[in-house]
Amino acid sequence: EVQLVESGGGLVQPGGSLRLSCAASGFTFSLYWMSWVRQAPGKGLEWLANVQQDGSENYCVDSVRGRFTISRDNAKNSLYLQMNSLRAEDTAVYYCARERGTDSSSYYYFDSWGQGTLVTVSS
Amino acid sequence: DIQMTQSPSTLSASVGDRVTITCRASQSISTWLAWYQQKPGKAPKLLIYKASNLESGVPSRFSGSGSGTEFTLTISSLQPDDFATYYCQQYRTFPPYTFGQGTQLEIE
Repeated sequence: EVQLVESGGGLVQPGGSLRLSCAASGFTFSLYWMSWVRQAPGKGLEWLANVQQDGSENYCVDSVRGRFTISRDNAKNSLYLQMNSLRAEDTAVYYCARERGTDSSSYYYFDSWGQGTLVTVSS
Repeated sequence: DIQMTQSPSTLSASVGDRVTITCRASQSISTWLAWYQQKPGKAPKLLIYKASNLESGVPSRFSGSGSGTEFTLTISSLQPDDFATYYCQQYRTFPPYTFGQGTQLEIE
């Protein structure tokens, strides 16, 4: 069974930093692109960043570029999100998600999600 | 960025009803569209991928259709467990992947 378990959330002051982790199990982690998606309280889903299978490529949304960094450690079956210069508007539940494609396409959707970890940015 | 727009934002319906949610893309995404269901306090759950493919384990009362810029999610006969928020998501291009704003399905 695929399992994704996020950790590392909590209360942080504006301008502070936090590192989120996502522990993966039940599948061969190194074969999949992985993403971070967040959801502000009462709002919709926002994709943040993803990283290729070997970590050599990664992409992110403009709103976090230069502040958030996605990475992975395939030996530890873990995904990370380093968040710096946090702002009140970064308050959200952060989910890690596995990307899956159909056939041999390079188009991926999110087939498995963790339970999320809450990040609150407040003084 | 490709903008995704869902309608309606809120939908009231009764058990047994047939309901349809629409998702429109700001440009063609072929059939690279997924639908998710989310219940309060829970992670999203994949229902449909590639516009019309039912994810394993998802009840057959859920179906998806469409291509290009217009898509629909249909629930043929609402069950009590279906009252939730539904999101569409395009994966034709990234960055960024983009989601619709969500449709909250409420009990009438």
